[in-house]
Amino acid sequence: KNEVEQSPQNLTAQEGEFITINCSYSVGISALHWLQQHPGGGIVSLFMLSSGKKKHGRLIATINIQEKHSSLHITASHPRDSAVYICAVRTGNQFYFGTGTSLTVIP
Amino acid sequence: KAGVTQTPRYLIKTRGQQVTLSCSPISGHRSVSWYQQTPGQGLQFLFEYFSETQRNKGNFPGRFSGRQFSNSRSEMNVSTLELGDSALYLCASAASGRSNEKLFFGSGTQLSVL
Repeated sequence: KNEVEQSPQNLTAQEGEFITINCSYSVGISALHWLQQHPGGGIVSLFMLSSGKKKHGRLIATINIQEKHSSLHITASHPRDSAVYICAVRTGNQFYFGTGTSLTVIP
Repeated sequence: KAGVTQTPRYLIKTRGQQVTLSCSPISGHRSVSWYQQTPGQGLQFLFEYFSETQRNKGNFPGRFSGRQFSNSRSEMNVSTLELGDSALYLCASAASGRSNEKLFFGSGTQLSVL
């Protein structure tokens, strides 16, 4: 049983397209994180959400606590957005991770 | 401000050996958490330390242990290494370890067990 499910698993987009990555979870959470991992391993935290919506540049993250669902949107995608995007949820004392969405943006 | 520093970057060990990995958090951060990433299992939570105390622990055997020092630097140790322990080990720091706090990750230690 996976506490966190992400979709799609792989995504290829043309530069400039609007991209949505979805995350559903089955546990009660205190926070949800969207992480970005480039080849080579380094992980960057994009957003930490406990409610509502956050925006940073071309990235928007939303969460619906009642539906246990979050989305990460990338507007006007660019090849440098190519990376693996990982959804992670924190319960009181545990972290659970999605398997990641591999995004490739083609020029 | 320096980021989270993990050493070494790469490590090769043989089965049965033990290994110690180090993580220096961002200056002023008091919480350090550790994660294992493998192609098959993805990211998994190992443990979390705050003010030298282990606060939370993931579902890993007792061969995996850690500690945190008074300067917030943390080490994790894996004893009696198995082939399946080959993974990228990541640590993350946070300012105060509140559950709704942003995490800052290090670049990881790539461990290969032969």
